[in-house]
Amino acid sequence: EPEVTQTPSHQVTQMGQEVILRCVPISNHLYFYWYRQILGQKVEFLVSFYNNEISEKSEIFDDQFSVERPDGSNFTLKIRSTKLEDSAMYFCATFGHRGLPGPPTNTGELFFGEGSRLTVL
Amino acid sequence: GNSVTQMEGPVTLSEEAFLTINCTYTATGYPSLFWYVQYPGEGLQLLLKATKADDKGSNKGFEATYRKETTSFHLEKGSVQVSDSAVYFCAPQDQGGSEKLVFGKGTKLTVNP
Repeated sequence: EPEVTQTPSHQVTQMGQEVILRCVPISNHLYFYWYRQILGQKVEFLVSFYNNEISEKSEIFDDQFSVERPDGSNFTLKIRSTKLEDSAMYFCATFGHRGLPGPPTNTGELFFGEGSRLTVL
Repeated sequence: GNSVTQMEGPVTLSEEAFLTINCTYTATGYPSLFWYVQYPGEGLQLLLKATKADDKGSNKGFEATYRKETTSFHLEKGSVQVSDSAVYFCAPQDQGGSEKLVFGKGTKLTVNP
């Protein structure tokens, strides 16, 4: 069964360092998302990405965050200068099949990766 | 955008007990509705969904019915098992834009033998 894969599974970094989290979406999916979950708390939306641009972002997604899909496969989240409060589990999610032929179709649900745990010291 | 209110946990039940986790939402229009489950140490998995009013989603003995009148999507299971211990998230889906899911705070369920 197709799945979303994320790397690394766990990263420990020093405050102020740059971090890049990577996601390989399900092939032919068109919508990409990053969510985060601070330990024991709710799952928070960060950003959505469609047609090679950000379609929506939350208040959390400030100038320290960026996303890109550099090679048409990987979908990355970069945190430029990490802060202690960035420590969380980051989830990538994708959905939306490319209809062949015709417009994109989707089954509605988002498919999530296993997450990347970021620890900022 | 959409928002969701989910029953606070934690919920602790004995095996074979009846489970209800309440979920109500506010939305413009009629969003698709989802329940996701997160087992310990794992990511989010789709449990069930409903895409229009009066639809009933079901999976693994869990059910939820899309109630437009009460804007609710309560999760139920007639007889829980130890293996159902997890955190459950209710999520309406934004439509016509980013199609993102908006998650509730999650309800932690512990089922004891």
